[in-house]
Amino acid sequence: SQQGEEDPQALSIQEGENATMNCSYKTSINNLQWYRQNSGRGLVHLILIRSNEREKHSGRLRVTLDTSKKSSSLLITASRAADTASYFCATPMIKAAGNKLTFGGGTRVLVKP
Amino acid sequence: NAGVTQTPKFQVLKTGQSMTLQCAQDMNHEYMSWYRQDPGMGLRLIHYSVGAGITDQGEVPNGYNVSRSTTEDFPLRLLSAAPSQTSVYFCASSYSRQGGYGYTFGSGTRLTVV
Repeated sequence: SQQGEEDPQALSIQEGENATMNCSYKTSINNLQWYRQNSGRGLVHLILIRSNEREKHSGRLRVTLDTSKKSSSLLITASRAADTASYFCATPMIKAAGNKLTFGGGTRVLVKP
Repeated sequence: NAGVTQTPKFQVLKTGQSMTLQCAQDMNHEYMSWYRQDPGMGLRLIHYSVGAGITDQGEVPNGYNVSRSTTEDFPLRLLSAAPSQTSVYFCASSYSRQGGYGYTFGSGTRLTVV
């Protein structure tokens, strides 16, 4: 029932650079969410984008959604060492009613000072 | 602070032992769920609940039981621990059972079964 898959699996950048990661999913969705997980911690909700939205911003985060391609991207601008974390996309489970989410395997981002 | 509280943070069990992982939220969220996180496999849904007295199975329910007698609490019980249940367990809650809202996660329980 896994829907979303992130790409790349890992990303290493210098502080100040932008980081972009992508998520592809298989079936129609009504929303897609992005989460961050710092090492050894729980996931933190970053942003939710609904199927009728194409782009959404939150601080240094920019999320796009292309329902025709069944894909989403997360852009972190002007990255900082504190952005080092794993990033997950989450989508409603296939054929599931309600609020069940399925998570991709994540993108590990390393921001080097 | 408001949020999802999980206890214990770490636990070592022997094969065959049972235990309960506790999860409590103080945000009056309808929806609660348990995930396990294993290297290379992402997060997999174990059980979930859409309200007090209502629970259902997720992707990997075998070996686990849940109950939800109150809105706040959603404990996960391991019936007879097996090494395959070594994992990090996360409890998450969300405002509505209907979807369209983000999850709030607990900090996790790291379980080792020897």
